Amino acid sequence: SQELEQSPQSLIVQEGKNLTINCTSSKTLYGLYWYKQKYGEGLIFLMMLQKGGEEKSHEKITAKLDEKKQQSSLHITASQPSHAGIYLCGAPRGSGNTPLVFGKGTRLSVIA
Amino acid sequence: DAGVIQSPRHEVTEMGQEVTLRCKPISGHNSLFWYRQTMMRGLELLIYFNNNVPIDDSGMPEDRFSAKMPNASFSTLKIQPSEPRDSAVYFCASSGTGVDTQYFGPGTRLTVL
Repeated sequence: SQELEQSPQSLIVQEGKNLTINCTSSKTLYGLYWYKQKYGEGLIFLMMLQKGGEEKSHEKITAKLDEKKQQSSLHITASQPSHAGIYLCGAPRGSGNTPLVFGKGTRLSVIA
Repeated sequence: DAGVIQSPRHEVTEMGQEVTLRCKPISGHNSLFWYRQTMMRGLELLIYFNNNVPIDDSGMPEDRFSAKMPNASFSTLKIQPSEPRDSAVYFCASSGTGVDTQYFGPGTRLTVL
C-alpha cells in the first residue's frame, strides 16, 4: 500500500525565516495535495499538484512536485506566526476521485 | 457557499453508548469521505461514498462502526457500542466529479470514557 513520509516531523523557526517541508511517496503519485491544520480545526486546502515538475505558489507558500512524481516539497518564504500549524500532504490512492492517503504531518511553530 | 458541515463538534460519552456523527457535504459534490485522525495513526480513511453508494468500507475498524448516506446532502457515521479506543477526531470530506479537491469539515472530537 502507498505510504507518505513527511519530514521533518516538527519545525521551530524564527519569524521571517524560510523553511521547507518534504513529502516522499513509496510509489509514483497520481497527484499530491497539501493541507494545513490548526489545532481543533479541520484541514484547509492549500494546493494540488498533478504533473511531474509542476510548481504552484500562493502568497508566500510554494509547492513543487518532482519530475518522477514521488516527492513534493512545500516552501514558506519569510515565515509569519500565521503560518504556524500542522502541514499534511495527501495523495489519491488511484486516478480519478479516490480517497487520500496522508502523511503523519509536520508541526510548524513560528516564534517572534 | 457553506463548507462541509459536521455535528456535533464535540462528543463525550461513556463506554457502551451509541454515538452518531453527522455530515452535510458541499452542495453539488457527489463523493463523501469519512476519515479518522489519531495521534498514533494519523489520518485514515474509514469509508467513502460515490453518488450515495458506499464504495470502499475496508477502513471501518469493526462491525461496531456503520455509515449511511440516505441522500446527497446527508451522511451519518454510527458507533455502537462505543469503546475508549474509538476516541479520536472524525472528519467528513466531500468532492465533486473527477479529480477534484476534497474539502474537509471541522471534525467531531469524540471522547469515550
